[in-house]
Amino acid sequence: GENVEQHPSTLSVQEGDSAVIKCTYSDSASNYFPWYKQELGKRPQLIIDIRSNVGEKKDQRIAVTLNKTAKHFSLHITETQPEDSAVYFCAASPSGYALNFGKGTSLLVTP
Amino acid sequence: NAGVTQTPKFQVLKTGQSMTLQCAQDMNHNSMYWYRQDPGMGLRLIYYSASEGTTDKGEVPNGYNVSRLNKREFSLRLESAAPSQTSVYFCASILSGVGTDTQYFGPGTRLTVL
Repeated sequence: GENVEQHPSTLSVQEGDSAVIKCTYSDSASNYFPWYKQELGKRPQLIIDIRSNVGEKKDQRIAVTLNKTAKHFSLHITETQPEDSAVYFCAASPSGYALNFGKGTSLLVTP
Repeated sequence: NAGVTQTPKFQVLKTGQSMTLQCAQDMNHNSMYWYRQDPGMGLRLIYYSASEGTTDKGEVPNGYNVSRLNKREFSLRLESAAPSQTSVYFCASILSGVGTDTQYFGPGTRLTVL
């Protein structure tokens, strides 16, 4: 089955800096790659997603890039703010019905 | 719309006890999912129901059973709870398939098995 690896497991940046989280996947049939943000004690919420026919997608301070050849995709957060502090999960879907999640990155943005 | 709701929010069980976690959505979604979340392990799929009347195993189905009661409701049953099932359980739903719609999560159930 699909195996999604996510790095780093923890990331600390200063407010205003950029943060990058990287994921790799194993199943070349995967065609959908969402990113979720989970604040402490809350449910995961979708922040951005990308499909395999697109190489990059941006939404304000957040962007995701996809390299299908290398089977990796990345989340980029620019001008980080303390409210960006959370756990971020990447996921990949080979089947159209289920998502396989990475183990998460705990991002801390210090003022 | 309440979105995806789960009951209970918290539960403590003794080893060997049984219980059912309830999930309901009012968004007319077709597909529903059960995940468990453990520290450092991310979200792991237990079971899913692509449409009413169908269920399929996910990555970690052992020790669990599910029922898609109707289009709105998808329950998860632990027949004989074990300490290894201590976790936070999330239900989720999608209008159609992954990749065409957003997956929405419920608030979670925190289960402790002593």
